[in-house]
Amino acid sequence: GESVGLHLPTLSVQEGDNSIINCAYSNSASDYFIWYKQESGKGPQFIIDIRSNMDKRQGQRVTVLLNKTVKHLSLQIAATQPGDSAVYFCAEDPGSARQLTFGSGTQLTVLP
Amino acid sequence: DSGVTQTPKHLITATGQRVTLRCSPRSGDLSVYWYQQSLDQGLQFLIQYYNGEERAKGNILERFSAQQFPDLHSELNLSSLELGDSALYFCASSVGEASGNTIYFGEGSWLTVV
Repeated sequence: GESVGLHLPTLSVQEGDNSIINCAYSNSASDYFIWYKQESGKGPQFIIDIRSNMDKRQGQRVTVLLNKTVKHLSLQIAATQPGDSAVYFCAEDPGSARQLTFGSGTQLTVLP
Repeated sequence: DSGVTQTPKHLITATGQRVTLRCSPRSGDLSVYWYQQSLDQGLQFLIQYYNGEERAKGNILERFSAQQFPDLHSELNLSSLELGDSALYFCASSVGEASGNTIYFGEGSWLTVV
C-alpha cells in the first residue's frame, strides 16, 4: 500500500533574505518553548528558547517571538544562508513532566 | 556535536527480533530522554530518566523498555519488533529535569525492521 508521511509545510527563501517560520502550539499551560533545527540524517539541534514570561528573545541571527494570546511562536532568521536549509521544529514544554511536544516541522530551503 | 552519543547509528533486523540502543548523555547531564521519529508520527516522546529513576512516560509500547544505569548511560530495549517500529530513535539529555533546562539531542539510531 501507499505509505503516508508527514506533509511538511515548506518555505523557500533567497539567500540573504530574512526567513520567518511559524508554529502554533496547543497547550496553554506550556511555559517553555524551544526551536530546533534538524538537518537530513542528523538529530535536532537546539537553536533558541524562550520562557512564557517573555515575548521576544534574540540570539545570533535568530529571534523568537511568543504570542501567548493566540498560542503562536515564530522564528525569524536574519540574512538566511545556505547552511540554514533544514527542517525547523518548535517544541513546547508543559513543565510538569519534561515531555516536549514537537510540531510537525517546516522545511526551509535557501535558494542561491 | 551535541555531546550526546548514540550507538549503533544504523541497524537492520528482522521482525520478531530484539535490539538494544545505547546512549551516553552529555557530561554532567543527569536526565536522559528517548524519542522516536517516524515518517507518519513525527517526533514522539517515549520515556525520561533522571539520575537512574524513571520520571515520565510517553507513548511507549509495552514491548519497549528502557533503563538508566549508575554511570548515567541509558539503554532502550525494543523487543518483538514489527515493521512499524522502523524509525529514528533519538536520545537526548539535560542537566536537570526542571523546565528551562536545555535538552540536547544525539544523532539518532536508525532502525530498519525487515
